Amino acid sequence: DAGITQSPRHKVTETGTPVTLRCHQTENHRYMYWYRQDPGHGLRLIHYSYGVKDTDKGEVSDGYSVSRSKTEDFLLTLESATSSQTSVYFCAISGPRQGNTEAFFGQGTRLTVV
Amino acid sequence: SQQGEEDPQALSIQEGENATMNCSYKTSINNLQWYRQNSGRGLVHLILIRSNEREKHSGRLRVTLDTSKKSSSLLITASRAADTASYFCATAHPQIFGKGTRLHILP
Repeated sequence: DAGITQSPRHKVTETGTPVTLRCHQTENHRYMYWYRQDPGHGLRLIHYSYGVKDTDKGEVSDGYSVSRSKTEDFLLTLESATSSQTSVYFCAISGPRQGNTEAFFGQGTRLTVV
Repeated sequence: SQQGEEDPQALSIQEGENATMNCSYKTSINNLQWYRQNSGRGLVHLILIRSNEREKHSGRLRVTLDTSKKSSSLLITASRAADTASYFCATAHPQIFGKGTRLHILP
């Protein structure tokens, strides 16, 4: 497996609480992505990063923020979790050339908001 | 909305048969990639085809690309039980995925 680790792997949280998911890579890849996967919707891009402190919104960014202060870490934060954010979250990395190299995926984080 | 859309949504075939799934996309691309996802796991890259290529092979996989129709197909020959998975296409900048095709290989 590519050196990409997501934490935690499972989390149950209450509505309205903040939640941060972490993606850590040891590959020094430039690009990092957060996706969510829900039945009937496939994978949807939340946010992505071109590099340190360089991020952009994806298809479903509302309610999510990200930060990348180091090459190896990409954090996804739900400022105030809602039940609609119950999902499986995947982090992916690629690089050094965006679009011309394969993406490697983490194992996923199953988040349940109750 | 997704950039790539796979078709069919689900496919069941007998072991040993060939499986074909299709992908349509909306905008111009530099390349298109196919991934596999086993249940409960992250996606694994299968093959990349560039916009100037029409066909590419990798083992039992054959991918075609028709940029005039904005479509691609993935053919898995001589299917095996281990091929049971979901298959996704993705375009670049950044990688946007479709809903996938769920492939089930029957023994």
